[in-house]
Amino acid sequence: DGGITQSPKYLFRKEGQNVTLSCEQNLNHDAMYWYRQDPGQGLRLIYYSQIVNDFQKGDIAEGYSVSREKKESFPLTVTSAQKNPTAFYLCASSKRQRRNYGYTFGSGTRLTVV
Amino acid sequence: AQRVTQPEKLLSVFKGAPVELKCNYSYSGSPELFWYVQYSRQRLQLLLRHISRESIKGFTADLNKGETSFHLKKPFAQEEDSAMYYCALSGGIQGAQKLVFGQGTRLTINP
Repeated sequence: DGGITQSPKYLFRKEGQNVTLSCEQNLNHDAMYWYRQDPGQGLRLIYYSQIVNDFQKGDIAEGYSVSREKKESFPLTVTSAQKNPTAFYLCASSKRQRRNYGYTFGSGTRLTVV
Repeated sequence: AQRVTQPEKLLSVFKGAPVELKCNYSYSGSPELFWYVQYSRQRLQLLLRHISRESIKGFTADLNKGETSFHLKKPFAQEEDSAMYYCALSGGIQGAQKLVFGQGTRLTINP
């Protein structure tokens, strides 16, 4: 069954700690994305990658880092430099084509700083 | 710069009434517009895209380049339409894959 898997579903972090959110897809999609979803602000792009070993900053990349060593995987690290990390994080993927035919989204990870 | 505005955070209508969720965009080139929906406890999923000119679950949306709008419409609302709706834009060769989302509209259908 193809799709995107995000883990864990819920994550609690102490202030000053780094945490890594997992995103894996078996759709053979080239492009992957991380968004942050906050109430009243919609989805904001953190990082995206259109091909293995390459990624670009989105609109709110500060305090986050990513890697893309494999086509299937695009983990997101929320570092201690991120001032307000409590949020719902969504991973998505798409085919890399000239036109955008839409994304497939994961089920999300809710991160809470305690 | 690419920007999507959904002016209504909340929209409440009665079952059977027409629904219109507004979406305005800002983009100088030829945009690709989408509507995504998130039902309670479900993943965000694509509802429709303007290039397909399709009707999904009774919803339609027409791209109006003159008014830079892509409003989502349904003639007769159903209770199962209650959800969060996001309008999104993709534009330009460089940004062909990046989606910019609006703030979202929570639609509630009252019985």
